[in-house]
Amino acid sequence: QQQVKQSPQSLIVQKGGIPIINCAYENTAFDYFPWYQQFPGKGPALLIAIRPDVSEKKEGRFTISFNKSAKQFSLHIMDSQPGDSATYFCAAGEGAQKLVFGQGTRLTINP
Amino acid sequence: DSGVTQTPKHLITATGQRVTLRCSPRSGDLSVYWYQQSLDQGLQFLIQYYNGEERAKGNILERFSAQQFPDLHSELNLSSLELGDSALYFCASSALGNTIYFGEGSWLTVV
Repeated sequence: QQQVKQSPQSLIVQKGGIPIINCAYENTAFDYFPWYQQFPGKGPALLIAIRPDVSEKKEGRFTISFNKSAKQFSLHIMDSQPGDSATYFCAAGEGAQKLVFGQGTRLTINP
Repeated sequence: DSGVTQTPKHLITATGQRVTLRCSPRSGDLSVYWYQQSLDQGLQFLIQYYNGEERAKGNILERFSAQQFPDLHSELNLSSLELGDSALYFCASSALGNTIYFGEGSWLTVV
């Protein structure tokens, strides 16, 4: 019940495309769903987060869509750029601190 | 820069040896977390300390131990090292109830 399943493992998109990364969780007690972005040689950095009282949250070119009944959430990156190439991790937890991470998605944006 | 400082950045050691990884949390953060990241396991939560006390335990091996000192810095001790312990070890910190911020990690290679 503590797993967070993330897909795909890797994704290649052309510049300007909209990569979508999906995550599914099992524990209905989870109430905090962040996405972290990690560049090579760096630690994960918080990108955007959502709580289950809303179905969508946008910050700049990044959007989280949340489906509470399906226990799924996804990250969309609008107008993707080569600089967005990184590994993205979804996470879920009871509060911002007790996080379970997905396995990560390696995203490549081709020029 | 997240404000979380980890040392050393890289470490190469032999099997059977013991190493200590050090972490200074962001100013004012009382919680410190340790995560292990390997290629096939993603981000695995090891242990959390809050103001010097152990708060939560994850998939931490008995050969590993951690502590948080009165000045809030933390150390992760890894002993009887095996080849499979080679990984990137992240420290993270947070204020109570707030977002977790990661350091840049300590690369451990066991040869």
